[in-house]
Amino acid sequence: EIVLTQSPGTLSLSPGERGTLSCRASQSVSSSYLAWYQQKPGQAPRLLMYGASSRATGIPDRFSGSGSGTDFTLTISRLEPEDFAVYYCQQYGSSPRTFGQGTKVEIK
Amino acid sequence: EVQLLESGGGLVQPGGSLRLSCVASGFTFNYYAMSWVRQAPGKGLEWVSDTSASGGSANHADSVKGRFTITRDNSKNTIYLQMNSLRADDTAVYYCAKWGASGWWDLTVFDYWGQGTLVTVSS
Repeated sequence: EIVLTQSPGTLSLSPGERGTLSCRASQSVSSSYLAWYQQKPGQAPRLLMYGASSRATGIPDRFSGSGSGTDFTLTISRLEPEDFAVYYCQQYGSSPRTFGQGTKVEIK
Repeated sequence: EVQLLESGGGLVQPGGSLRLSCVASGFTFNYYAMSWVRQAPGKGLEWVSDTSASGGSANHADSVKGRFTITRDNSKNTIYLQMNSLRADDTAVYYCAKWGASGWWDLTVFDYWGQGTLVTVSS
């Protein structure tokens, strides 16, 4: 199975700053079948990005995704108060679908 | 509006059984495959099981194969997860999730999730 490793584990930033989250796969993710989810405490995950760089419905354009092969990035251009949460990457190009361990974006 | 509502969680002893349910609304239920994904306390997400739109096909993670069974009843817009031989490491919040595309062979994301139901396995 494909193992996804996210870094950093915790990202401490201030509102208005830029956040860059990394997701590295143990083998190539076919056709960029890479997604990102946001999860706030006590809530279900919410789909942010799919196909590495396509935003899901209703996701603001301050969120962007990039990458291919084994290296992927989620960028939040200017952090809003509601963006402080845990972010998970997921590959869905091969079975079983797997998730990274998460990056917590916390208020500095 | 898509809604997924899980139920059936609770406290169960090791070796026991539990059946989870997830009622769906707001979309054409029998068009989409559905899944269960779990999250142990303070941990990340782990895919558990898939059921095809018709219910005729299913997949399970190796960690639950032979112990868990996913089914669905399209007349009730509901999926189920029958969990047997439960172990302490099955303790988690269990989420049901809708697939983002309608084909069983589609490579797709989970576009909607329920709020989850907590399963605690402990003596």
